[in-house]
Amino acid sequence: RKEVEQDPGPFNVPEGATVAFNCTYSNSASQSFFWYRQDCRKEPKLLMSVYSSGNEDGRFTAQLNRASQYISLLIRDSKLSDSATYLCVVNRRDSGAGSYQLTFGKGTKLSVIP
Amino acid sequence: DAMVIQNPRYQVTQFGKPVTLSCSQTLNHNVMYWYQQKSSQAPKLLFHYYDKDFNNEADTPDNFQSRRPNTSFCFLDIRSPGLGDAAMYLCATSRVSAQDTQYFGPGTRLTVL
Repeated sequence: RKEVEQDPGPFNVPEGATVAFNCTYSNSASQSFFWYRQDCRKEPKLLMSVYSSGNEDGRFTAQLNRASQYISLLIRDSKLSDSATYLCVVNRRDSGAGSYQLTFGKGTKLSVIP
Repeated sequence: DAMVIQNPRYQVTQFGKPVTLSCSQTLNHNVMYWYQQKSSQAPKLLFHYYDKDFNNEADTPDNFQSRRPNTSFCFLDIRSPGLGDAAMYLCATSRVSAQDTQYFGPGTRLTVL
């Protein structure tokens, strides 16, 4: 089982639609969780952190279920500019190195169409 | 202002010709990472430095080496690039905390002829 799994899509949605992405992770020792956004041929950029209590940032809502090892991202009122690949990212401590390591999902591609 | 800078943005090299990619940061972060990302794949961690301590991933080929002469700079050396090494190379930095995420540079796109 892959450490972080996402539906690769693509998700093709009309402007104004609501779209949801899901992600599962296998390492129960994972400590923090993020959604990154990556535009074509650009670097990943942090979209938002994900907390068990759920968190919202404008049109974006993220949710974490530790018991099910499941993370979600909801985008409301999709804009053309939301077209990108959304990476589910899990952070865990590298006990040997003492630092933390991110593990990335392969990403879910979103295309918002006029 | 750019916080993680990578040079060059595009690098073309010949098969077997050594190449060095550069990363610098203005964040004073303890940890610097190098990732390789190929088309439609997740970024793959090659190695990272926690201060001066080098931590190699088990599956990183010996062809890839790294140097961190000071807090601000980190280099990726590819000793004998093969066609399969053509990819985007991403540098990232972070502090040391579970809640701290990583900040990525813009990447260097490597082409091997």
